[in-house]
Amino acid sequence: DVQLVESGGRLVQPGGSLRLSCAASGFTFSSFEMNWVRQAPGRGLEWVSYISTTGGTIYYADSVKGRFTISRDNAKNSLYLQMNSLRAEDTAIYYCAILGREPRPNFDYWGQGTLVTVSS
Amino acid sequence: DIQMTQSPSSLSASVGDRVTITCRASQSISSYLNWYQQKPGKAPKLLIYAASSLQSGVPSRFSGSGSGTDFTLTISSLQPEDFATYYCQQSYSARAAFGQGTKLEIK
Repeated sequence: DVQLVESGGRLVQPGGSLRLSCAASGFTFSSFEMNWVRQAPGRGLEWVSYISTTGGTIYYADSVKGRFTISRDNAKNSLYLQMNSLRAEDTAIYYCAILGREPRPNFDYWGQGTLVTVSS
Repeated sequence: DIQMTQSPSSLSASVGDRVTITCRASQSISSYLNWYQQKPGKAPKLLIYAASSLQSGVPSRFSGSGSGTDFTLTISSLQPEDFATYYCQQSYSARAAFGQGTKLEIK
């Protein structure tokens, strides 16, 4: 079975840093594009970042550009999100996700999420 | 970047009702449109991909239509377990974008 397990979320002060991890299993990790998606308390889904299979193509939402860095280690079946200069508005559940997209539009999986709280 | 706009933002309906949620893209996305269902405390679940294809295991009362910029999700006969929040998401670009969500509540 496909599994995505996020970790690393915790309470952090404004301006601080945090590194989220996502451990993947049950599929060929190196063959799939990966994403981070977040959801602030009581709010909708917000796409945060994308990384291609090799890591050669990376995109960020404008809200996190210059502060967050996505990366992956295909040898370790792991996805990461380095979060710097954190703000209160970054408080959210962060999901690691394979978003259904060509050529596998129905291959869509999400982790259970990890909570990041930015507060003093 | 592509923007996705859903309507309505909330909807009250009764068991057995037929409901429709609409989603509009800021530019043509062909049929690269996903619909998700999310229940409180859970990760989103893919219902419909490629605008009209039903994900495996999803009841046939769910259907999707549309292409280009305008899309709809229809639930033909609401069941108690369908009360949740629904999101559209464009898969045309790797810079994924979600609609703001439609919360479906019991009348």
